[in-house]
Amino acid sequence: DAGITQSPRHKVTETGTPVTLRCHQTENHRYMYWYRQDPGHGLRLIHYSYGVKDTDKGEVSDGYSVSRSKTEDFLLTLESATSSQTSVYFCAISLGGVDEQFFGPGTRLTVL
Amino acid sequence: AQSVTQPDIHITVSEGASLELRCNYSYGATPYLFWYVQSPGQGLQLLLKYFSGDTLVQGIKGFEAEFKRSQSSFNLRKPSVHWSDAAEYFCAVGGSGGSYIPTFGRGTSLIVHP
Repeated sequence: DAGITQSPRHKVTETGTPVTLRCHQTENHRYMYWYRQDPGHGLRLIHYSYGVKDTDKGEVSDGYSVSRSKTEDFLLTLESATSSQTSVYFCAISLGGVDEQFFGPGTRLTVL
Repeated sequence: AQSVTQPDIHITVSEGASLELRCNYSYGATPYLFWYVQSPGQGLQLLLKYFSGDTLVQGIKGFEAEFKRSQSSFNLRKPSVHWSDAAEYFCAVGGSGGSYIPTFGRGTSLIVHP
């Protein structure tokens, strides 16, 4: 299994609070991604990174920001969480942008 | 823009029966195609991928998929389903032209009856 961890694995928070999710890899893959998974929507890309300090938006980036200061870590921040951001968040990595992706175990976030 | 359609939200089969999950894609250049599987409470795992060459691709767990350019399809098949195949299946498309980051379909949930 690819070395990808996500923390926390579960989080319950209140509307308006900031939340940061962490993805950590030990594979030295260049690309890292954050997805959210919701029933009926499949996986939707939030942000991705193609190198340290190099990030770009996905299709559902509003309300989210990311940072990548080291190859191994990719942080997803919800500046002010809303109930619509209740979801399961997956981190993924890949060697190149078109390569197969390896997924982390997911973080279940509930915003009350 | 690239897109993936998985027409079936749920598929129910009996154990031992054959399986075909449909995937149609829209992509402006030669596509890279993927099938992933997600067991409950888990992340996604790659089943197989098509980049070029033979249009019939073999994957893990006895799955195969066939790329048909004329039909813009990449359907996933298995000749005999096992109860452990019950999961969510996702098709994805990306490639060297346009947006290379893969786009995922909404998934098909496979239910296996004993």
